[in-house]
Amino acid sequence: KQEVTQIPAALSVPEGENLVLNCSFTDSAIYNLQWFRQDPGKGLTSLLLIQSSQREQTSGRLNASLDKSSGRSTLYIAASQPGDSATYLCAVPSNTGKLIFGQGTTLQVKP
Amino acid sequence: ETGVTQTPRHLVMGMTNKKSLKCEQHLGHNAMYWYKQSAKKPLELMFVYNFKEQTENNSVPSRFSPECPNSSHLFLHLHTLQPEDSALYLCASSQERGARIGYTFGSGTRLTVV
Repeated sequence: KQEVTQIPAALSVPEGENLVLNCSFTDSAIYNLQWFRQDPGKGLTSLLLIQSSQREQTSGRLNASLDKSSGRSTLYIAASQPGDSATYLCAVPSNTGKLIFGQGTTLQVKP
Repeated sequence: ETGVTQTPRHLVMGMTNKKSLKCEQHLGHNAMYWYKQSAKKPLELMFVYNFKEQTENNSVPSRFSPECPNSSHLFLHLHTLQPEDSALYLCASSQERGARIGYTFGSGTRLTVV
């Protein structure tokens, strides 16, 4: 049974700092891994999608890496800004259509 | 907007009311999903529809009744809910079940049962 874990659960950093969010999964037979952002009380916004054949994806100040063999993914945020404050979720799909989420990392970037 | 539209954004209902949540996507996706997000809990999958057919019911109480009339629309009919059903209900879609190209989520409906 696939399980997804995110560490840390919460993170508070000063503005401008580079940071790394971690995601681990127990079953390496994944199609892809997706990182989402969720603002309080809002829906999920897709940030990056990494296919199982890829090692990393980049979008602006965000870079996500994937190491299937070790069951890990990281989301790197460069030069963090207060607007980056949100909960970040990673998720992997099962072959029955179920998207399995981690518990999320709640990020606060202080001005 | 992500391409998946949910209405209403907020809903307050009594335990004896009947209401419906609506989800609409025009992304050409064939799979649609309902998720529930309660405070301090991970997202819980409720239902999966693939090409209008329900393929998964994740042990959801019968007071939640989904309907998928076509690949673009998904409804969640609610009746005789309990206060513990108060949560954020999120709709998502993907090209196919178990999507290889990612999921798109709507903004959610914040439901409060009083």
